[in-house]
Amino acid sequence: GAGVSQSPRYKVAKRGQDVALRCDPISGHVSLFWYQQALGQGPEFLTYFQNEAQLDKSGLPSDRFFAERPEGSVSTLKIQRTQQEDSAVYLCASSLEGVAQFFGPGTRLTVL
Amino acid sequence: QKEVEQNSGPLSVPEGAIASLNCTYSDRGSQSFFWYRQYSGKSPELIMSIYSNGDKEDGRFTAQLNKASQYVSLLIRDSQPSDSATYLCAVKDSNSGYALNFGKGTSLLVTP
Repeated sequence: GAGVSQSPRYKVAKRGQDVALRCDPISGHVSLFWYQQALGQGPEFLTYFQNEAQLDKSGLPSDRFFAERPEGSVSTLKIQRTQQEDSAVYLCASSLEGVAQFFGPGTRLTVL
Repeated sequence: QKEVEQNSGPLSVPEGAIASLNCTYSDRGSQSFFWYRQYSGKSPELIMSIYSNGDKEDGRFTAQLNKASQYVSLLIRDSQPSDSATYLCAVKDSNSGYALNFGKGTSLLVTP
């Protein structure tokens, strides 16, 4: 596709549920990033993939967060046992190596 | 934590005026700087990138970079109501070489 796509756009989960967020990057972009954006804040880095390799997961808030990109294209961010503090917009971005990052529309997660 | 500081605003300018948005950063080693525009409820949209000291112009937008002062700015000429949005300053992390550190954004309101 022409841009980064993400699904679902909105997700409401009860506390304790597991969620999976999907990102489809721009075709040909080897680099893929996940960011978390809380209300009124700038995005914060979560994790980075180069092709299928997860090279950096230093921004993941806890071991309840897990990301994968098994075939070097689509990526999934999984959050286990969701907590209220996980409520945020989760943004996926992709880029050609070393160039600017382009963001998808985001998934707004609300944990009740 | 690499700091990126922006005035939260709102910055209010009349239609047709020049809007000046400022950003300071702490990561002295960074070489790449970006301005993103984010409309309410939408994802960040890349509008400018700058890598060298000085000015870079693209249409009504001019980015200015001063690495010695650790300062980057965005000028918007002939501001339009459609420019009303939050502008995020992003600095590429020099340690990782790929993660972006964002400011909280400056809210710009262009009044007709």
